[in-house]
Parts: sequence; structure tokens; C-alpha cells
Amino acid sequence: GENVEQHPSTLSVQEGDSAVIKCTYSDSASNYFPWYKQELGKRPQLIIDIRSNVGEKKDQRIAVTLNKTAKHFSLHITETQPEDSAVYFCAASSPSGGGADGLTFGKGTHLIIQP
Amino acid sequence: ETGVTQTPRHLVMGMTNKKSLKCEQHLGHNAMYWYKQSAKKPLELMFVYNFKEQTENNSVPSRFSPECPNSSHLFLHLHTLQPEDSALYLCASSQVGRSGANVLTFGAGSRLTVL
Repeated sequence: GENVEQHPSTLSVQEGDSAVIKCTYSDSASNYFPWYKQELGKRPQLIIDIRSNVGEKKDQRIAVTLNKTAKHFSLHITETQPEDSAVYFCAASSPSGGGADGLTFGKGTHLIIQP
Repeated sequence: ETGVTQTPRHLVMGMTNKKSLKCEQHLGHNAMYWYKQSAKKPLELMFVYNFKEQTENNSVPSRFSPECPNSSHLFLHLHTLQPEDSALYLCASSQVGRSGANVLTFGAGSRLTVL
């Protein structure tokens, strides 16, 4: 099965600086890579995702890059703000034939934005 | 509450008790999932239901028993649990299709404590 590794487990950055979280996956058949944000006491929510047919995707201050050859993908947050403080989870999925496949998640990165 | 609703939000039970967690989705999705979230561990996929049929069981102990009576409701029946089963149990749903993007919408979770 799929195995997703995520680093670092904790990341502390100054407000306004950039933050980068990295993940690797093991199953070369995986073709969908979402990122979820979970604020303290709340449910995980999708913030951005990327499919294997593109190398980069941006949405305002958030971007995700994918290197299929190396089997790794990264989340980039620029101009960090206090509300970016949360736990971020990467995930990978290899949907087959339109059936439901659960996502395999990384362990999460606790992002702390220092004022 | 719209989206994915889970009850109860908190549950304390003894090892000999029998209880159930309930999940309801109001999104018209065709797949539902149970995930376990423990401290310092990745979100662990437990069960997947696609069109009410169980399609995945990730080696979950038999003391956890899922039930999906229709595409909107999902239950997790609990009996003779162990203290290490204490965790946040998250339900999620998605609309599975040929696009391959399996976007999960999570419920707020049921915090389970086994004494």
C-alpha cells in the first residue's frame, strides 16, 4: 500500500516569512495529492490539491509543487499570517476505475507563526 | 448543521460497554469513510464505503464494526474496546467519479475515551 512521509513535524516561522512543508510517497500509481489544514479543535479542511499531470499549482499565498520522478510534493505558504497557524497534512491517493479509495495521510506538520 | 455531522461529539466508555458513533452527510456524496486520529500519528483510514458497499477495511480489529444502511448514514459500532482505542474518530464523505480527485469533507469528529 501507499506510504506517505511528511517533514518537518513542527515548523516555526516569523510572521511574513515563507513556510515549506515536504512530503514523499511510495506508490508510483498515486495521482492525486491534496493538502488539508486542521486548526486546533476543528476538522481537517482541504486547502489545495494537485494532480499528477501538473507540476505546480497556486492559489493566492499557497502553492503546491509535485515531482513525480522523485515522488515528492511540497506545500509553500508565502507572507505567513497568524491565521496560518495550524496542523497541515499531506495525502496521496491512487483512484482506480472511479471507485472510492481512502487517502493515505502524512503525520502532519504543526506550523507556528511567530508574531 | 450542514455538511457532515457526527454524534456524539464526546464519548467516555468502559472496556465492557457497547456504543455506536453516528455520521450523516448532507452533501449527496456517494462514498463515506471512517478515520482514526491519534496524537502524533497520521490520520489512519479504517473503513471505506462506496455506494453503501464496503470497499476497504484496513486491518481494523473486529471490536470496531461499521454499518452503512444508505449512502447518507454511516455508523461505527464499538464493543470491548481497549484504552489504546481512545482517539478522535473522524467521518468523511466524498463524491467519487472518473475525475480521480477524491476530495474529502470531514465531520467535526467524535472524541472517544476508553477507561
